[in-house]
Amino acid sequence: GENVEQHPSTLSVQEGDSAVIKCTYSDSASNYFPWYKQELGKGPQLIIDIRSNVGEKKDQRIAVTLNKTAKHFSLHITETQPEDSAVYFCAASKSGNQGGKLIFGQGTELSVKP
Amino acid sequence: GAVVSQHPSWVICKSGTSVKIECRSLDFQATTMFWYRQFPKQSLMLMATSNEGSKATYEQGVEKDKFLINHASLTLSTLTVTSAHPEDSSFYICSATTDGAPSYNEQFFGPGTRLTVL
Repeated sequence: GENVEQHPSTLSVQEGDSAVIKCTYSDSASNYFPWYKQELGKGPQLIIDIRSNVGEKKDQRIAVTLNKTAKHFSLHITETQPEDSAVYFCAASKSGNQGGKLIFGQGTELSVKP
Repeated sequence: GAVVSQHPSWVICKSGTSVKIECRSLDFQATTMFWYRQFPKQSLMLMATSNEGSKATYEQGVEKDKFLINHASLTLSTLTVTSAHPEDSSFYICSATTDGAPSYNEQFFGPGTRLTVL
């Protein structure tokens, strides 16, 4: 079945630096790749997503890139701030009769030090 | 828009009792809802997929008789943990998708329910 690998599991950066989180997926039919931010005790919050017909998408300090050939996608956060500290999850899904079941990566705990 | 709520936000119960968790889509009709379980410092694990008016589809290893799912309307799905035991203690999260963009698979997540079984 589909598998999503996420690295690193923990990431510590200084405020103002950039953070990069990488994911690989196994099912070449996957066509939707969301990224979620989860704060302690809360549900996941969608921060950005990308479809398979696009190679890059940016929203202010956050960007996502997709390499369909290599089956890689990455989250880039620039000018990090302490409030960016949280657990980030990547996920992948494909269109179909299962209603777009999401397969999640293992998560990355990001710590931004002031 | 696209807000999903869960109730209760946390619950403590005794071993052997049953607990019901509600998931509601507040401003859209959710044809498909998903239930996830998340243990501390782990990822979200899909338990089941429910479509309005039909039986839920459970993931491998999830006991359907223990985790009863009902999706009776386009805005409400419920998860009942029957005969709960301490190992069922976890963070339960629901999500919902709309009919408007099924090919895009975007899911809207609820805030989660913390279940503690004593």
